[in-house]
Amino acid sequence: GQQLNQSPQSMFIQEGEDVSMNCTSSSIFNTWLWYKQDPGEGPVLLIALYKAGELTSNGRLTAQFGITRKDSFLNISASIPSDVGIYFCAGPTENSGGSNYKLTFGKGTLLTVNP
Amino acid sequence: ETGVTQTPRHLVMGMTNKKSLKCEQHLGHNAMYWYKQSAKKPLELMFVYSLEERVENNSVPSRFSPECPNSSHLFLHLHTLQPEDSALYLCASSRYYGRAAGESGRLNTQYFGPGTRLTVL
Repeated sequence: GQQLNQSPQSMFIQEGEDVSMNCTSSSIFNTWLWYKQDPGEGPVLLIALYKAGELTSNGRLTAQFGITRKDSFLNISASIPSDVGIYFCAGPTENSGGSNYKLTFGKGTLLTVNP
Repeated sequence: ETGVTQTPRHLVMGMTNKKSLKCEQHLGHNAMYWYKQSAKKPLELMFVYSLEERVENNSVPSRFSPECPNSSHLFLHLHTLQPEDSALYLCASSRYYGRAAGESGRLNTQYFGPGTRLTVL
């Protein structure tokens, strides 16, 4: 099936630094979603991208839908301790008839922010 | 995000117990999902309901039995579980399931609940 390659697997940064992570796929995606998951909690949708080339911001977060539709990146500017968590990219995969649809998730990027 | 709620948040049960997990969404969505998240494993889709009809069952053992009485509520009934079933169980919902006219990406975007941490002894 389709896979999403997310990198890096983990990051250790100092408070105030900027962060960048990305997701790539060998297949074309029509939607890219970025979620954040805190320990023991469900993923929270941060940014959704629906058009190739789209650049969307949510506070200090910015995400872009790659023009090839095979990649996306998420940037966090001026990180703070509460940014700690696991960040997942996700995109829908469909069968050829379009009737079977599921979200494929990347393996996540674990972000640690040192105060 | 309080659009999707799950209860209980934590559950400890023995292998012979019967328990149920509950999910409720307040977003007016038509599709609901159950996922399992084990330690160091990616999210596994278990079941999908669209307009109260089960449309997907990803080879989930029969000891997990879903129920969707209406589009706002989803249950996962648990019976004679195994210790390896211990995991975080997540519920999600989306406006529609599958291809929809127009902005299918937007309408398929899933919103998750906070999860139920299940421990099977």
